[in-house]
Amino acid sequence: SQTIHQWPATLVQPVGSPLSLECTVEGTSNPNLYWYRQAAGRGLQLLFYSVGIGQISSEVPQNLSASRPQDRQFILSSKKLLLSDSGFYLCAWSRGGAGYEQYFGPGTRLTVT
Amino acid sequence: AQKVTQAQTEISVVEKEDVTLDCVYETRDTTYYLFWYKQPPSGELVFLIRRNSFDEQNEISGRYSWNFQKSTSSFNFTITASQVVDSAVYFCALRGGGADGLTFGKGTHLIIQP
Repeated sequence: SQTIHQWPATLVQPVGSPLSLECTVEGTSNPNLYWYRQAAGRGLQLLFYSVGIGQISSEVPQNLSASRPQDRQFILSSKKLLLSDSGFYLCAWSRGGAGYEQYFGPGTRLTVT
Repeated sequence: AQKVTQAQTEISVVEKEDVTLDCVYETRDTTYYLFWYKQPPSGELVFLIRRNSFDEQNEISGRYSWNFQKSTSSFNFTITASQVVDSAVYFCALRGGGADGLTFGKGTHLIIQP
């Protein structure tokens, strides 16, 4: 069966510090991978998605970036965090193609102080 | 542009009551996919159901049922005989024919009181 991991689970970082969140998927090959952010009291917003190694599409311009160095690894980064980057970050995977459901990881709760 | 509207921000019912969560969507795609997810207090999103735009059959899974109507662009979710464990935030989501991500509604916070 497939599983998706995210770490860390929680993170408190000062404004201006760097960020690295990691997501890995087990039990599947060549998945589509996604990063979402859920701000307090709001729905989920798609940040990045990837259909393969090194292929990243950005949905929202911001000071965040994503990379996919391996088939089942997806990393979310920032060089300098802003207060507005606080939120709940969720990684998800799906099979290739448009019609498949996405499965979400446990999430990382980021607080920028 | 795609849009999902969940007009009910919060619903509170007493256990064993039936409850329907509304979802209205907008898309220009002729092929699209609709989803419902449950987010319990732990935060992880749990997939509940997927429906294709060309399949308007309603679906029942235990106490859960879904009513998809293209004519009204709605994909409503009903829980029969609600239980306290059903308390969560429920999200409706839409995906067009491309390989990008889901467009989510803002969610409905469902509270089941004992």
